[in-house]
Order: sequence, then structure tokens, then C-alpha cells
Amino acid sequence: DTEVTQTPKHLVMGMTNKKSLKCEQHMGHRAMYWYKQKAKKPPELMFVYSYEKLSINESVPSRFSPECPNSSLLNLHLHALQPEDSALYLCASSRDVIREQYFGPGTRLTVT
Amino acid sequence: GENVEQHPSTLSVQEGDSAVIKCTYSDSASNYFPWYKQELGKGPQLIIDIRSNVGEKKDQRIAVTLNKTAKHFSLHITETQPEDSAVYFCAAITNAGKSTFGDGTTLTVKP
Repeated sequence: DTEVTQTPKHLVMGMTNKKSLKCEQHMGHRAMYWYKQKAKKPPELMFVYSYEKLSINESVPSRFSPECPNSSLLNLHLHALQPEDSALYLCASSRDVIREQYFGPGTRLTVT
Repeated sequence: GENVEQHPSTLSVQEGDSAVIKCTYSDSASNYFPWYKQELGKGPQLIIDIRSNVGEKKDQRIAVTLNKTAKHFSLHITETQPEDSAVYFCAAITNAGKSTFGDGTTLTVKP
């Protein structure tokens, strides 16, 4: 299995909602990542987990809360988002932080 | 922090021609340089990568070169095909896994 899966594919949420994005991989990778990608822009790194520990937080607002329950799963909890947070949220994984990253298809998030 | 500049932003070539995309980076701590292809509605897909201890790498029609002294790296695609049309991103990654992407190049291959 060489795939990173993300659910849901699309999500529409209001500014007062709480929702979660999920990412899963079964490649035995020990590094997992969250990226944010706005239209016609490159992916921007948000968080890096290495061996289930948060190793990089790129000064992301606290309304985004990552969680890595085990080596195969990565969640991104969302609360009190703003319309400008609407974007494609990409998850990636790699064998370790200096190895090639495999991206999932992303979750298209719209905040109304 | 790291700054990655990518040129050109758009590139149009005839099928069968070559395409070259160039990137420069600023942070000497970056030592891994992947290239990604992103098609509409999909996540980025790794197409080739190079590490700082290597000057060139080739995989069939795709090659990457790295000049660590000048902090330049380039993607070369030969014998382009319409299915090569996509957005291409370069990236620079440190040992800690901190990645910075270039702004992307939209490649159009005309049949």
C-alpha cells in the first residue's frame, strides 16, 4: 500500500463549527505532515510529526490543532476558523523527515 | 528562513521539445531538493529528487541538476508529451524536515 488517504474530500463549515480532518497511511512511515495550499499557490508547511511527536509548528494559529494518535494516523482539529482559512489541506508522509514525501489528495475546506 | 525562487512561472512548449525549470534557494541548511508535479484536483506527486551530495540525477526523460555552491537546482524534461502538462513545484528541505516550496511553474505541452 503506497497511498496516503484523506477524509473528507470536501468540507464546508461555519465559523463556529468544530470539525476534524483525517489522514492515514500504512507504509510504515514515521514522519507525517500537514500543508495548506491556496489556489494557484504552493503548499505551505503547517506541522511536522516525527515518531508521533510534534517537531515543527510553523507558527500556525491555535484554531488549528494537530494530533497524531499513532504512527498511521494524523488528524487536524479545526475550531473557530475564518473565511481566509478556506484552502486545500494536504497531508503527506515519509519514511523519516529527510526522505521523499508522499502526498494525499487533500481536503478542500470552505469556511462560510 | 528559507526562500525558494522558481522560474519561469509559465512555460509553453511543443510536444517533443525540452522544458527546463530553475530554482534557487537561500538557506545552506537545505540539503534535499524534490520536484513535484501537481495535476488539477490532485495532491503533489514526487517525480524526482536530489540530495546535496549529488550533482545530477536522471530518470528516463527527467533529470535534475544541483549546484550547491550557487544554490541553484534545475529540472529538465526531454521529449515532452501532452500528459506532462501540469504545475511543477521545486522544494528545499532541511534535515529537520522543514520544507519550502517554489511558487510553481505551469507547463503546457502543445500537441
